[in-house]
Amino acid sequence: RKEVEQDPGPFNVPEGATVAFNCTYSNSASQSFFWYRQDCRKEPKLLMSVYSSGNEDGRFTAQLNRASQYISLLIRDSKLSDSATYLCVVNSYNAGNMLTFGGGTRLMVKP
Amino acid sequence: EAQVTQNPRYLITVTGKKLTVTCSQNMNHEYMSWYRQDPGLGLRQIYYSMNVEVTDKGDVPEGYKVSRKEKRNFPLILESPSPNQTSLYFCASSLSGTGQETQYFGPGTRLLVL
Repeated sequence: RKEVEQDPGPFNVPEGATVAFNCTYSNSASQSFFWYRQDCRKEPKLLMSVYSSGNEDGRFTAQLNRASQYISLLIRDSKLSDSATYLCVVNSYNAGNMLTFGGGTRLMVKP
Repeated sequence: EAQVTQNPRYLITVTGKKLTVTCSQNMNHEYMSWYRQDPGLGLRQIYYSMNVEVTDKGDVPEGYKVSRKEKRNFPLILESPSPNQTSLYFCASSLSGTGQETQYFGPGTRLLVL
C-alpha cells in the first residue's frame, strides 16, 4: 500500500463547479500535511497547509481527519486557471523529516 | 528574487557518461533536497541535506551522489547514468527542514539517458 494515495483523476468539471479531492495516508504518526499545486511540466508550489481544525483560503478549503487518516481539498467556484495537478503531501517525522508525496490528482476545468 | 535554480534544464546523455545537475538557492535555507518525478510514481526523494556537510539518503538513492560543501549549493551527481534514471528531477529547499514549512522547488531538469 502506498504511504500517500490519491485518485489520479482526471476530474473534468465546468467553470463554477465545486470539486473535492481526498487523500489518504498510512502513517498514523504523520504530523504535517500540505496541498501543493503542479502545473504541467512545472515545479510544485505550495497551495496551502492543512491544519487540524481545517482552514480556508479564498475558494479553497482544506480539512484533516486524523481518525480516518485522510485530508481533503475543496475548490469552490472553479476557474479555468485552477486546471492543474494537486499533490497531497505528508510529513511523517521519520527519516529526516522527509516529505512523502501522493501521485497527484489532475483537475481540468472546462469553459 | 528568492529562488531555487537548476542547471541544466534539459539534458540528453548516454549510458555511463558521468553528469552533474547543479542546484542553488539564495534564501539561506538550511535544508535542501533532490526528488525525481516519474509518471504513476509521483515525486520520490533521492537525497536530502539538513545543513552543510550533512547529507542523507531518501527513498531512492541508488545510482546518485550528492555533496553539500556550501549552504547555497546542492549538486546531484550521476556517476554512471543508466536509462532507468531518465526522469524529471527537482531540487527543493526549505528554511530548516522541520517539515512544517514550505518547500521551494527549482524549475526541474529533464534528463534522458540513452
